[in-house]
Amino acid sequence: SQTIHQWPATLVQPVGSPLSLECTVEGTSNPNLYWYRQAAGRGLQLLFYSIGIDQISSEVPQNLSASRPQDRQFILSSKKLLLSDSGFYLCAWIRFVTGGRHGYTFGSGTRLTVV
Amino acid sequence: KQEVTQIPAALSVPEGENLVLNCSFTDSAIYNLQWFRQDPGKGLTSLLLIQSSQREQTSGRLNASLDKSSGRSTLYIAASQPGDSATYLCAVSRGGGSQGNLIFGKGTKLSVKP
Repeated sequence: SQTIHQWPATLVQPVGSPLSLECTVEGTSNPNLYWYRQAAGRGLQLLFYSIGIDQISSEVPQNLSASRPQDRQFILSSKKLLLSDSGFYLCAWIRFVTGGRHGYTFGSGTRLTVV
Repeated sequence: KQEVTQIPAALSVPEGENLVLNCSFTDSAIYNLQWFRQDPGKGLTSLLLIQSSQREQTSGRLNASLDKSSGRSTLYIAASQPGDSATYLCAVSRGGGSQGNLIFGKGTKLSVKP
């Protein structure tokens, strides 16, 4: 079956510390992968997307970066966290359903609090 | 620039009531529209996916409609239950691949009272 995993579930990090969030998918190959952030009181915002290994596109300039070292692995990183990086981070992938149509499946998310 | 708006922002209803959640989008050139449910502190669960060529999709007590020309979608929940309490998010996609990015509304927070 096709599943998506995210970890950790929660994280509290001091300002200036590094960050690494990992997302992996199972049961599929060459998925389109996405990182979204949900900040308090705001809607979900796309941060990065990837259509293949080492192919990363950024939607908004920020303190974060993403990498895709393997087909089914997507990593969100930062060298130095800011308070404004706090939020709920969600990884997602497009799954193809009957007739070539596609829909999104989201991971369970990582709650990041920068203190 | 695509913008997605959801009305109302919050809704409280007694158990058993039928209800409608609204979603509007400014650019009708969408590939599909998807409704999600988010429980507090949790990820998103996909409820219904409507392709741009479709008018509606149904799953159990849920029915979602799409009027692409007017930039509107509604999510109808029949015979609401306390377990339906959650935030419901609407999102549109411009297409697959690099255009598959979702644009989300801010959601409607639903509370169903027993």
